Amino acid sequence: DAKTTQPPSMDCAEGRAANLPCNHSTISGNEYVYWYRQIHSQGPQYIIHGLKNNETNEMASLIITEDRKSSTLILPHATLRDTAVYYCIVLIKAAGNKLTFGGGTRVLVKP
Amino acid sequence: DAGVTQSPTHLIKTRGQQVTLRCSPISGHKSVSWYQQVLGQGPQFIFQYYEKEERGRGNFPDRFSARQFPNYSSELNVNALLLGDSALYLCASSLEGGHSPLHFGNGTRLTVT
Repeated sequence: DAKTTQPPSMDCAEGRAANLPCNHSTISGNEYVYWYRQIHSQGPQYIIHGLKNNETNEMASLIITEDRKSSTLILPHATLRDTAVYYCIVLIKAAGNKLTFGGGTRVLVKP
Repeated sequence: DAGVTQSPTHLIKTRGQQVTLRCSPISGHKSVSWYQQVLGQGPQFIFQYYEKEERGRGNFPDRFSARQFPNYSSELNVNALLLGDSALYLCASSLEGGHSPLHFGNGTRLTVT
Protein backbone atom coordinates (compact mmCIF):
# COMPACT_ATOMS: atom_id res chain seq x y z
CA ASP A 1 0.00 0.00 0.00
CA ALA A 2 1.15 3.53 -0.71
CA LYS A 3 2.50 5.53 2.20
CA THR A 4 0.64 8.60 3.43
CA THR A 5 1.99 11.76 5.08
CA GLN A 6 -0.13 13.89 7.39
CA PRO A 7 0.70 16.83 9.67
CA PRO A 8 0.99 15.55 13.25
CA SER A 9 -1.43 18.07 14.69
CA MET A 10 -3.66 21.02 13.93
CA ASP A 11 -6.09 23.28 15.76
CA CYS A 12 -9.45 24.41 14.48
CA ALA A 13 -12.00 26.92 15.75
CA GLU A 14 -15.43 25.61 16.60
CA GLY A 15 -17.95 26.36 13.84
CA ARG A 16 -15.28 26.85 11.20
CA ALA A 17 -14.31 24.44 8.44
CA ALA A 18 -11.43 22.09 9.20
CA ASN A 19 -9.25 21.16 6.21
CA LEU A 20 -7.06 18.13 6.83
CA PRO A 21 -4.38 17.47 4.20
CA CYS A 22 -2.90 14.12 3.23
CA ASN A 23 -0.05 13.42 0.84
CA HIS A 24 0.02 10.09 -0.98
CA SER A 25 2.39 10.77 -3.87
CA THR A 26 3.07 7.08 -4.59
CA ILE A 27 -0.58 6.07 -4.87
CA SER A 28 -1.34 3.64 -7.67
CA GLY A 29 -4.33 3.68 -9.96
CA ASN A 30 -6.31 1.04 -8.11
CA GLU A 31 -5.79 2.37 -4.58
CA TYR A 32 -8.60 4.08 -2.74
CA VAL A 33 -8.20 6.91 -0.23
CA TYR A 34 -9.92 6.24 3.10
CA TRP A 35 -10.36 8.47 6.12
CA TYR A 36 -11.01 7.24 9.63
CA ARG A 37 -10.95 9.08 12.92
CA GLN A 38 -10.43 7.93 16.48
CA ILE A 39 -11.92 9.80 19.37
CA HIS A 40 -10.19 9.23 22.70
CA SER A 41 -10.98 5.84 24.28
CA GLN A 42 -13.04 4.68 21.30
CA GLY A 43 -12.40 2.50 18.26
CA PRO A 44 -11.70 4.16 14.89
CA GLN A 45 -14.72 5.46 13.01
CA TYR A 46 -15.07 5.36 9.23
CA ILE A 47 -15.61 8.79 7.69
CA ILE A 48 -15.42 8.62 3.90
CA HIS A 49 -13.50 7.13 0.99
CA GLY A 50 -12.93 7.80 -2.70
CA LEU A 51 -10.99 6.74 -5.76
CA LYS A 52 -10.62 9.82 -7.92
CA ASN A 53 -13.83 11.81 -7.76
CA ASN A 54 -14.66 14.16 -4.94
CA GLU A 55 -17.02 12.63 -2.42
CA THR A 56 -19.41 14.06 0.17
CA ASN A 57 -21.49 12.46 2.89
CA GLU A 58 -23.19 13.62 6.06
CA MET A 59 -19.92 13.77 7.95
CA ALA A 60 -17.40 15.28 5.57
CA SER A 61 -16.19 16.00 2.06
CA LEU A 62 -13.18 14.42 0.40
CA ILE A 63 -11.31 16.35 -2.26
CA ILE A 64 -8.78 14.35 -4.29
CA THR A 65 -6.41 16.21 -6.61
CA GLU A 66 -6.51 15.38 -10.28
CA ASP A 67 -3.14 13.61 -10.15
CA ARG A 68 -4.35 11.77 -7.01
CA LYS A 69 -1.13 12.52 -5.18
CA SER A 70 -2.88 14.33 -2.37
CA SER A 71 -6.28 14.77 -0.81
CA THR A 72 -8.07 16.95 1.72
CA LEU A 73 -10.72 15.95 4.20
CA ILE A 74 -13.08 18.81 4.96
CA LEU A 75 -15.21 18.96 8.09
CA PRO A 76 -17.58 21.78 7.12
CA HIS A 77 -18.54 23.05 10.57
CA ALA A 78 -16.23 21.64 13.22
CA THR A 79 -17.67 20.95 16.67
CA LEU A 80 -15.92 20.10 19.92
CA ARG A 81 -16.94 16.48 19.34
CA ASP A 82 -14.78 16.41 16.21
CA THR A 83 -11.65 16.52 18.38
CA ALA A 84 -9.89 13.28 17.44
CA VAL A 85 -6.98 11.70 15.60
CA TYR A 86 -7.71 11.57 11.88
CA TYR A 87 -6.11 8.88 9.75
CA CYS A 88 -5.66 8.99 5.99
CA ILE A 89 -5.15 5.51 4.51
CA VAL A 90 -4.69 4.31 0.94
CA LEU A 91 -5.90 0.82 0.24
CA ILE A 92 -5.83 -1.50 -2.71
CA LYS A 93 -9.11 -3.31 -3.13
CA ALA A 94 -7.43 -6.71 -2.96
CA ALA A 95 -5.98 -5.86 0.45
CA GLY A 96 -9.37 -6.44 1.97
CA ASN A 97 -9.57 -5.23 5.52
CA LYS A 98 -5.84 -4.79 6.06
CA LEU A 99 -5.69 -1.10 6.87
CA THR A 100 -2.25 0.39 7.48
CA PHE A 101 -2.61 3.23 9.98
CA GLY A 102 0.09 5.87 10.11
CA GLY A 103 0.50 8.49 12.81
CA GLY A 104 -2.54 10.49 11.77
CA THR A 105 -3.34 14.13 12.50
CA ARG A 106 -4.39 15.06 16.01
CA VAL A 107 -7.13 17.67 15.56
CA LEU A 108 -8.12 19.87 18.48
CA VAL A 109 -11.30 21.88 18.01
CA LYS A 110 -11.26 24.91 20.28
CA PRO A 111 -14.28 26.95 21.42
CA ASP B 1 -28.87 -1.70 15.53
CA ALA B 2 -26.06 -2.80 17.82
CA GLY B 3 -22.56 -2.00 16.74
CA VAL B 4 -19.53 -4.23 17.08
CA THR B 5 -19.35 -5.51 20.64
CA GLN B 6 -16.21 -6.73 22.35
CA SER B 7 -15.69 -8.47 25.66
CA PRO B 8 -14.27 -8.02 28.15
CA THR B 9 -13.65 -4.26 28.07
CA HIS B 10 -10.65 -4.50 30.38
CA LEU B 11 -8.41 -7.38 31.37
CA ILE B 12 -5.31 -7.81 33.51
CA LYS B 13 -3.09 -10.84 32.99
CA THR B 14 0.31 -12.01 34.16
CA ARG B 15 3.27 -12.77 31.91
CA GLY B 16 3.11 -16.28 30.51
CA GLN B 17 -0.67 -16.58 30.80
CA GLN B 18 -3.09 -17.02 27.93
CA VAL B 19 -6.00 -14.75 27.04
CA THR B 20 -9.11 -15.00 24.86
CA LEU B 21 -10.86 -11.90 23.54
CA ARG B 22 -14.31 -12.01 22.00
CA CYS B 23 -16.02 -10.04 19.28
CA SER B 24 -19.57 -9.94 17.92
CA PRO B 25 -19.89 -8.24 14.53
CA ILE B 26 -22.71 -6.07 13.32
CA SER B 27 -25.65 -8.20 12.20
CA GLY B 28 -25.21 -9.19 8.56
CA HIS B 29 -21.46 -8.58 8.53
CA LYS B 30 -19.49 -11.65 7.51
CA SER B 31 -15.96 -10.33 7.84
CA VAL B 32 -14.13 -9.73 11.12
CA SER B 33 -10.69 -8.21 11.56
CA TRP B 34 -8.49 -7.79 14.59
CA TYR B 35 -6.10 -4.92 15.31
CA GLN B 36 -3.63 -4.18 18.08
CA GLN B 37 -3.13 -0.59 19.22
CA VAL B 38 -0.22 0.15 21.48
CA LEU B 39 -0.45 3.39 23.44
CA GLY B 40 0.46 6.39 21.30
CA GLN B 41 0.43 4.51 17.99
CA GLY B 42 -2.07 3.74 15.27
CA PRO B 43 -3.76 0.32 15.14
CA GLN B 44 -1.83 -2.56 13.56
CA PHE B 45 -3.53 -5.32 11.57
CA ILE B 46 -3.42 -8.79 13.13
CA PHE B 47 -5.97 -10.99 11.32
CA GLN B 48 -8.93 -10.94 8.96
CA TYR B 49 -11.55 -13.67 8.76
CA TYR B 50 -14.27 -13.93 6.16
CA GLU B 51 -16.85 -16.69 6.07
CA LYS B 52 -14.87 -18.52 8.77
CA GLU B 53 -11.66 -18.61 6.73
CA GLU B 54 -8.51 -16.65 7.38
CA ARG B 55 -8.11 -14.02 4.68
CA GLY B 56 -5.08 -12.17 5.96
CA ARG B 57 -2.48 -12.15 8.69
CA GLY B 58 -0.28 -9.31 9.86
CA ASN B 59 3.27 -9.46 11.16
CA PHE B 60 2.53 -11.05 14.53
CA PRO B 61 4.08 -14.16 16.12
CA ASP B 62 2.37 -17.54 16.19
CA ARG B 63 1.37 -16.86 19.80
CA PHE B 64 -1.51 -14.94 18.25
CA SER B 65 -4.35 -16.98 16.76
CA ALA B 66 -7.98 -16.39 15.93
CA ARG B 67 -11.06 -18.10 14.65
CA GLN B 68 -14.50 -17.20 13.37
CA PHE B 69 -17.63 -19.10 14.28
CA PRO B 70 -20.67 -20.02 12.13
CA ASN B 71 -22.56 -17.01 13.56
CA TYR B 72 -19.61 -14.82 12.37
CA SER B 73 -18.48 -13.93 15.88
CA SER B 74 -14.77 -14.25 16.51
CA GLU B 75 -12.18 -14.93 19.17
CA LEU B 76 -8.59 -13.76 19.38
CA ASN B 77 -6.24 -15.88 21.46
CA VAL B 78 -2.83 -14.86 22.68
CA ASN B 79 -0.58 -17.42 24.37
CA ALA B 80 2.48 -16.94 26.55
CA LEU B 81 1.74 -13.28 27.19
CA LEU B 82 4.58 -10.79 27.20
CA LEU B 83 4.64 -7.33 28.73
CA GLY B 84 4.73 -5.93 25.19
CA ASP B 85 1.33 -7.46 24.46
CA SER B 86 -0.24 -4.79 26.64
CA ALA B 87 -2.45 -2.85 24.25
CA LEU B 88 -5.95 -2.04 23.10
CA TYR B 89 -7.25 -4.88 20.95
CA LEU B 90 -9.78 -3.75 18.39
CA CYS B 91 -12.24 -5.83 16.45
CA ALA B 92 -13.82 -4.55 13.25
CA SER B 93 -16.52 -5.99 11.04
CA SER B 94 -17.53 -5.34 7.47
CA LEU B 95 -20.13 -6.56 5.04
CA GLU B 96 -17.73 -8.47 2.86
CA GLY B 97 -14.11 -9.43 2.61
CA GLY B 98 -13.27 -6.69 0.15
CA HIS B 99 -12.68 -3.04 0.87
CA SER B 100 -16.05 -2.16 2.33
CA PRO B 101 -15.67 0.24 5.27
CA LEU B 102 -14.77 -1.24 8.62
CA HIS B 103 -16.88 -0.71 11.71
CA PHE B 104 -14.80 -0.91 14.86
CA GLY B 105 -15.74 -1.84 18.38
CA ASN B 106 -14.34 0.11 21.32
CA GLY B 107 -11.80 -2.57 22.07
CA THR B 108 -10.49 -4.65 24.93
CA ARG B 109 -7.78 -3.01 27.03
CA LEU B 110 -5.28 -5.75 27.95
CA THR B 111 -2.68 -5.10 30.60
CA VAL B 112 0.07 -7.67 31.12
CA THR B 113 1.97 -7.42 34.41
